[in-house]
Amino acid sequence: DAGVIQSPRHEVTEMGQEVTLRCKPISGHNSLFWYRQTMMRGLELLIYFNNNVPIDDSGMPEDRFSAKMPNASFSTLKIQPSEPRDSAVYFCASSLPGLAYGELFFGEGSRLTVL
Amino acid sequence: SQKIEQNSEALNIQEGKTATLTCNYTNYSPAYLQWYRQDPGRGPVFLLLIRENEKEKRKERLKVTFDTTLKQSLFHITASQPADSATYLCALDYSSASKIIFGSGTRLSIRP
Repeated sequence: DAGVIQSPRHEVTEMGQEVTLRCKPISGHNSLFWYRQTMMRGLELLIYFNNNVPIDDSGMPEDRFSAKMPNASFSTLKIQPSEPRDSAVYFCASSLPGLAYGELFFGEGSRLTVL
Repeated sequence: SQKIEQNSEALNIQEGKTATLTCNYTNYSPAYLQWYRQDPGRGPVFLLLIRENEKEKRKERLKVTFDTTLKQSLFHITASQPADSATYLCALDYSSASKIIFGSGTRLSIRP
């Protein structure tokens, strides 16, 4: 399997622009997580889905952030409008649900720089 | 809210020695706890999972303990090697719906 695939790997944009990050989870995995990592705050959980349904979005910083999972093989994280403080590495991870399968498989991340 | 604390300082260990990393948590009793390794510019990679009813788990040179009374997990790397240098993250499930949250990580450096 190719693993979790994220795109783009790097994005540089200007403040106010819309940013869309994409994720393809591992086939057969039905839980998907979006995390944000910064030096100051570490790895923060933004939102996660089970069977394409958002379960908990309490980590989404504000209304500028939105996430969708239209089907089992694709998810997006959108920031509109972007701000410099959104600069971070955004990771997508997928897993099988249940106690025995808690392991998360991470993508390589999308490094976002907002100028 | 749930809080996870790991060694705040970087850990520098002589090659061959045992590295011990600490993960403490508050305000919750997780069903399991995980450890991940992260190299610069890469995503975290899963290492070990230990369940609440397990005291200890081993995998090759790695050992994890889980003390639910102390609310603490210890992660040991025996016979450490320079290739073990990385950041190590602990994570736990914060709800029955598998909400997995991470500690801030401990950067480990193994010097030859």
